[in-house]
Amino acid sequence: SQKIEQNSEALNIQEGKTATLTCNYTNYSPAYLQWYRQDPGRGPVFLLLIRENEKEKRKERLKVTFDTTLKQSLFHITASQPADSATYLCALDNYGQNFVFGPGTRLSVLP
Amino acid sequence: EAGVTQFPSHSVIEKGQTVTLRCDPISGHDNLYWYRRVMGKEIKFLLHFVKESKQDESGMPNNRFLAERTGGTYSTLKVQPAELEDSGVYFCASSQVTGGLTGELFFGEGSRLTVL
Repeated sequence: SQKIEQNSEALNIQEGKTATLTCNYTNYSPAYLQWYRQDPGRGPVFLLLIRENEKEKRKERLKVTFDTTLKQSLFHITASQPADSATYLCALDNYGQNFVFGPGTRLSVLP
Repeated sequence: EAGVTQFPSHSVIEKGQTVTLRCDPISGHDNLYWYRRVMGKEIKFLLHFVKESKQDESGMPNNRFLAERTGGTYSTLKVQPAELEDSGVYFCASSQVTGGLTGELFFGEGSRLTVL
């Protein structure tokens, strides 16, 4: 069956460290993968998109990798800050029909 | 520029009643999506409009849900009659067409539905 998993429901790290979030998928062949941030009571906000032929994408302190062999995307936040605390969602395109979201990882950056 | 707006932000209704949720996408965005998150679960796709046409409604749970997008502008999602399991947060998102599903989705803040 089709499945998207994100490494853990919650992740706590110390301020200044690098946070690494994982998105694994089964029985999908996405051409694109996106990462979103969601704060409590708000809608998801787009962060980064990476295509299947791209190994890595960067935006300021954010880095995303996409390994279609491992069927995995890694999302890194370097020099993390308490303001980075939020739920992070991966979303992948479902055979060009729509986007399918993972369950999310709730990141807490401790001062 | 205004973002995606949704109304109401929260609705509390009795089982068996009807509720209509509204979404105004970003002006010029042909693609409009409805998603929902029920308690403790991931955000699930409901349907996708391209302009006024339903491109994909494979995620609609049953025929108690009716989505419309007359004129290709705002969209409504009606639940009639509402059941307890319909409770959750309904998100609307829009995107520009840039050749397939390559564009980012712009989400509204969601409409929280509570069915008692």
